[in-house]
Amino acid sequence: GAVVSQHPSWVICKSGTSVKIECRSLDFQATTMFWYRQFPKQSLMLMATSNEGSKATYEQGVEKDKFLINHASLTLSTLTVTSAHPEDSSFYICSARVRGRTEAFFGQGTRLTVV
Amino acid sequence: DAKTTQPTSMDCAEGRAANLPCNHSTISGNEYVYWYRQIHSQGPQYIIHGLKNNETNEMASLIITEDRKSSTLILPHATLRDTAVYYCIVRVAEGAQKLVFGQGTRLTINP
Repeated sequence: GAVVSQHPSWVICKSGTSVKIECRSLDFQATTMFWYRQFPKQSLMLMATSNEGSKATYEQGVEKDKFLINHASLTLSTLTVTSAHPEDSSFYICSARVRGRTEAFFGQGTRLTVV
Repeated sequence: DAKTTQPTSMDCAEGRAANLPCNHSTISGNEYVYWYRQIHSQGPQYIIHGLKNNETNEMASLIITEDRKSSTLILPHATLRDTAVYYCIVRVAEGAQKLVFGQGTRLTINP
């Protein structure tokens, strides 16, 4: 149980285009999802916290207009990187909290390369 | 959330027990200790968590000192597949509390 699935696993896009990453909780309802970004040889950096049906809470320094987060249902959250640039190339990872449990579970990550 | 300190890297021989330390001297009474690991190019994997009692599951054991200022994650019989970065995180359990990752310990299991 507690499986979190991300799609796509990897994506290459042209500079200036937008990319959407999906995060689904497959066998549980996730009232809260988190989005992280990880650059090579660095730790995970929290970007935003997403609650179902409400606006996401962004960490300091993360542009909310560039990284659009939608958490429309208890099993799906999406991250859209708008007008992507090469510096947005990174490993994006989502996680979800299971109702009634304290630990969070993570997706397999999405590697974004902007060319 | 309390800050944690972990060694940057560790090595362990395959088949031996891997003991990963974590210092969290400023931990509060309502904060739990969580351990996750990240194998290269994958999302983090939950391992174990505890408050003050020692915990054991199918993956590992967690030993927390009586004063709760430090803990040790034990992988009893390390295999090559346990090579990963291990993160120790302290956090309150209630609510939608976010997980904040430090640099972790890069554990290498050697054949």
